[in-house]
Amino acid sequence: DTGVSQDPRHKITKRGQNVTFRCDPISEHNRLYWYRQTLGQGPEFLTYFQNEAQLEKSRLLSDRFSAERPKGSFSTLEIQRTEQGDSAMYLCASSLARQGYTFGSGTRLTVV
Amino acid sequence: AQTVTQSQPEMSVQEAETVTLSCTYDTSENNYYLFWYKQPPSRQMILVIRQEAYKQQNATENRFSVNFQKAAKSFSLKISDSQLGDTAMYFCAFMKHSFMNRDDKIIFGKGTRLHILP
Repeated sequence: DTGVSQDPRHKITKRGQNVTFRCDPISEHNRLYWYRQTLGQGPEFLTYFQNEAQLEKSRLLSDRFSAERPKGSFSTLEIQRTEQGDSAMYLCASSLARQGYTFGSGTRLTVV
Repeated sequence: AQTVTQSQPEMSVQEAETVTLSCTYDTSENNYYLFWYKQPPSRQMILVIRQEAYKQQNATENRFSVNFQKAAKSFSLKISDSQLGDTAMYFCAFMKHSFMNRDDKIIFGKGTRLHILP
């Protein structure tokens, strides 16, 4: 197990298109988190899962965003009808209870 | 709601010097965790050090140590004998302890960009 994997690393899309990102957590970690980070800022919480249950969603997560974690393994984050303001680094992290996160390398989204 | 404030957007120090990064936080919780994360340029975020609020002893990891002042809600990071590889964004972060394990998202500060100069 080599850590948290995110795919793709970079995504350029046209405004209005849908995009989907994938995150594969460390296998024994039951918690999985999605964050968004814009340039020069700290990560902002979007949502998190414990196993397959989505326990919390930030108000930052508009109706155009949806996240899933089927079977409590990998997770996907989908953005529908992308807007230029969605351009950011999308970070995934996983953890065991309260041990601190292990982050993936992120997916950088550019909406043109 | 919890907030984390890092008042130093950017710092530069000479290699081998000691540097201290400041962090304050606001919470009404009594039990929580504090973290410092490092994000090197174009690389992933990694955990530097972790402190549990109920522990009075300051955490230490090799050249990295913290000064945790619970009453003042202050959590500074000291890097001793700084190295070029320490150049990175450093984020202070807070996570409250939830008895029901329902709310353990981490709240990050805006970060301090640290440059280690040769």
